[in-house]
Amino acid sequence: EAQVTQNPRYLITVTGKKLTVTCSQNMNHEYMSWYRQDPGLGLRQIYYSMNVEVTDKGDVPEGYKVSRKEKRNFPLILESPSPNQTSLYFCASSLLSGTGGNSYEQYFGPGTRLTVT
Amino acid sequence: ILNVEQSPQSLHVQEGDSTNFTCSFPSSNFYALHWYRWETAKSPEALFVMTLNGDEKKKGRISATLNTKEGYSYLYIKGSQPEDSATYLCAFKGGNNRLAFGKGNQVVVIP
Repeated sequence: EAQVTQNPRYLITVTGKKLTVTCSQNMNHEYMSWYRQDPGLGLRQIYYSMNVEVTDKGDVPEGYKVSRKEKRNFPLILESPSPNQTSLYFCASSLLSGTGGNSYEQYFGPGTRLTVT
Repeated sequence: ILNVEQSPQSLHVQEGDSTNFTCSFPSSNFYALHWYRWETAKSPEALFVMTLNGDEKKKGRISATLNTKEGYSYLYIKGSQPEDSATYLCAFKGGNNRLAFGKGNQVVVIP
């Protein structure tokens, strides 16, 4: 089954304790992205990657790191989490838009609800 | 940060009625406009991806139009059913491969 998986689904942690949220897709997609969803703010892009070893900042990258060592995996790293990073996080993947005018839908993971106390 | 606006923010619709809502986005550097449907406790799922001015797409009772010159897209739901209750997200993609989402149109269909 084609899917995007995220782990953990729920996490409660304390300020300053490093954590990683994993994301994996089995669709051979080049493009992967992380979003956070906060009430009243909608989905905001944190980081995205267009292929292995190619990552770029989205709108709200501060406090986050990512890596793309393999095509299928795109982990989100919080080196020193703070309470303002309490949020619902989504990973998504898609084929990479080409120069021919095509654009491809994103497939979203199930979400990770993170609470930082 | 790209400005993608959706209106109205929320609406209640009587079962059987039709409704529509708007997504407005920058008219410059346009690459694509995405629509997603997001049900409570689930993940967003793609409805449409539109790239050409004048595009019209349809999936069942839901359809969308695109005007890239004036920077807006309409989403229509014909004959609303309770299962249409969800938040509908639009997302603008410019030439830099970043995807900017609006805050969504929350639809509640009243039986």
